[in-house]
Amino acid sequence: AAGVIQSPRHLIKEKRETATLKCYPIPRHDTVYWYQQGPGQDPQFLISFYEKMQSDKGSIPDRFSAQQFSDYHSELNMSSLELGDSALYFCASSLEESRFGYTFGSGTRLTVV
Amino acid sequence: DAKTTQPNSMESNEEEPVHLPCNHSTISGTDYIHWYRQLPSQGPEYVIHGLTSNVNNRMASLAIAEDRKSSTLILHRATLRDAAVYYCILYSGGGADGLTFGKGTHLIIQP
Repeated sequence: AAGVIQSPRHLIKEKRETATLKCYPIPRHDTVYWYQQGPGQDPQFLISFYEKMQSDKGSIPDRFSAQQFSDYHSELNMSSLELGDSALYFCASSLEESRFGYTFGSGTRLTVV
Repeated sequence: DAKTTQPNSMESNEEEPVHLPCNHSTISGTDYIHWYRQLPSQGPEYVIHGLTSNVNNRMASLAIAEDRKSSTLILHRATLRDAAVYYCILYSGGGADGLTFGKGTHLIIQP
């Protein structure tokens, strides 16, 4: 079965640079979520989109923005990167009306040097 | 979302049942109890969810106390591949709300 695809798998950026992470949800899933997981930390919810509109917002820094496109894929844009942004970034997708759980991707490991 | 409390870590032997507890004394009537697990270097994985009745699926069973203030995830026969961090999450929002991950239980499986 198709899973949630994230790209790239690994990314190394320097401080103050920008980064763009991509997420391709499971086909027919209409909702996308972004999570950040720092070293030794639990996943923290950043933001979600339903039908290309922002739905819920968590602890997403103002330097980050995201959007969902007409084909339902989503991109997380991160600017003015800081060392503390080094983390695993997970994308998950689901059907909005379903409580049967989210499917997470394998994540993008961002390292800021 | 209401808060959950889980042990920091638990240890079990391979091929034995594992009971992972979760306390959620402030659960509301509309909160579903969800369990996810995260294997090393992987994204979280849905395990099971329930509202009031006990639930079974191919991965695990979920036993919910009658007053719903606690629940237990049961792995009937643990394998080394079950070693992961297990998260108990209360979810009451609409389908597009983010899940709030708290401090899960690190399950260690001994061969």
